[in-house]
Amino acid sequence: NAGVTQTPKFRVLKTGQSMTLLCAQDMNHEYMYWYRQDPGMGLRLIHYSVGEGTTAKGEVPDGYNVSRLKKQNFLLGLESAAPSQTSVYFCASSDAGYGYTFGSGTRLTVV
Amino acid sequence: AQSVAQPEDQVNVAEGNPLTVKCTYSVSGNPYLFWYVQYPNRGLQFLLKYITGDNLVKGSYGFEAEFNKSQTSFHLKKPSALVSDSALYFCAVRDDNYGQNFVFGPGTRLSVLP
Repeated sequence: NAGVTQTPKFRVLKTGQSMTLLCAQDMNHEYMYWYRQDPGMGLRLIHYSVGEGTTAKGEVPDGYNVSRLKKQNFLLGLESAAPSQTSVYFCASSDAGYGYTFGSGTRLTVV
Repeated sequence: AQSVAQPEDQVNVAEGNPLTVKCTYSVSGNPYLFWYVQYPNRGLQFLLKYITGDNLVKGSYGFEAEFNKSQTSFHLKKPSALVSDSALYFCAVRDDNYGQNFVFGPGTRLSVLP
């Protein structure tokens, strides 16, 4: 049972490099989210999507872009990575907002 | 706007004793409340939720939570703690006046001592 799959699981970037994190869900959920988790700050919403072709900004969107070209996929892009973007990134999906299913996370280090 | 507070960064309890992890919330509409648990190097796992109905909600692994509207609280409880319950616990709220997004608390680290 897959649920929500995130790739890659780990990544080290140099400052200024770009990368894309992929989130895929197989539950036919309409809503998808990208969060970052930092010590003592809980989870903060970066961007979210309420359906295929839609995206919206969350609490901390600066420095990130997203796309949802297919219902099952939600991509998070960093155009020019900064050390402040060192974090653990979680993708989640939801059906009608009655609870999230989370991926296992991507640990990103920007040096 | 919606918000969640978890007033304790860390809770320590002896194995076999009851445990409580506190959560208070603020919403303008009706709250949907959730507890999630995170084990080291893992994603968040769903424990239980309150949407409507009975104020006492039972969830996974023997956990339960009580919705208290007057105190705007949703504390997580377990009658007898296990060492394997040691993890990071997150409370989350969704305000039905603000669409589908959830707000998470900062998390409480539970340590169950043998």
